[in-house]
Amino acid sequence: QSVLTQPPSASGTPGQRVTISCSGSSSNIGRNYVYWYQYLPGAAPKLIIYRNNQRPSGVPDRFSGSKSGTSASLAISGLRSEDETDYYCAAWDDYSWVFGGGTKLTVL
Amino acid sequence: EVQLVESGGGLIQPGGSLRLSCAASGFSFSSYNMNWARQAPGKGLEWVAYISSSSSSIYYADSVKGRFTISRDNAKNSLYLEMKSLRAEDTAVYYCARAPVEGDAGLGYWGQGTLVTVSS
Repeated sequence: QSVLTQPPSASGTPGQRVTISCSGSSSNIGRNYVYWYQYLPGAAPKLIIYRNNQRPSGVPDRFSGSKSGTSASLAISGLRSEDETDYYCAAWDDYSWVFGGGTKLTVL
Repeated sequence: EVQLVESGGGLIQPGGSLRLSCAASGFSFSSYNMNWARQAPGKGLEWVAYISSSSSSIYYADSVKGRFTISRDNAKNSLYLEMKSLRAEDTAVYYCARAPVEGDAGLGYWGQGTLVTVSS
């Protein structure tokens, strides 16, 4: 059971906008930054959003992050086939990092 | 270019010890906080340990506390994870990760990982 809660799956068609939610509590998302990762098993996880809504260089502006209270969201606009992979959220929680259980995004 | 290369993984018997290394290049290693994380087969990502840039702050996941030790050598641009009393449930790909920016504690850039298999 992960500390942060994500939907196990999400889907969309090419060009569509999809959002992935990440729900936590006052000890993690409520008071700390949220980070989002793209993870293809067998490859290195890739940071796509840090500090709630900051994009590392090289990450397309199709990816955006937001936070409100104890929840956060990752939005992907202009969905592309290469976006089909797993996504994880993470946040600091009382001297430890906690992750969501991951969301598998399918591009239909 | 930021590069993180993990090594030291392998097959180890339960109760055994292993030392993982992470060689960093392409950035000022001593300026960044670092983490270890892992992914067990069929499971999600799990954070393992954190060390600040000067080694003044160190934290561990409850699952490894007392068995794993994180350390770094800024002169050698290297991060380490000493693992003892290994259990089957420690089987995973282990990743080292650099913070996204100086002063941040998060997991930003990740290495390719090294596989640790704990089995008799």
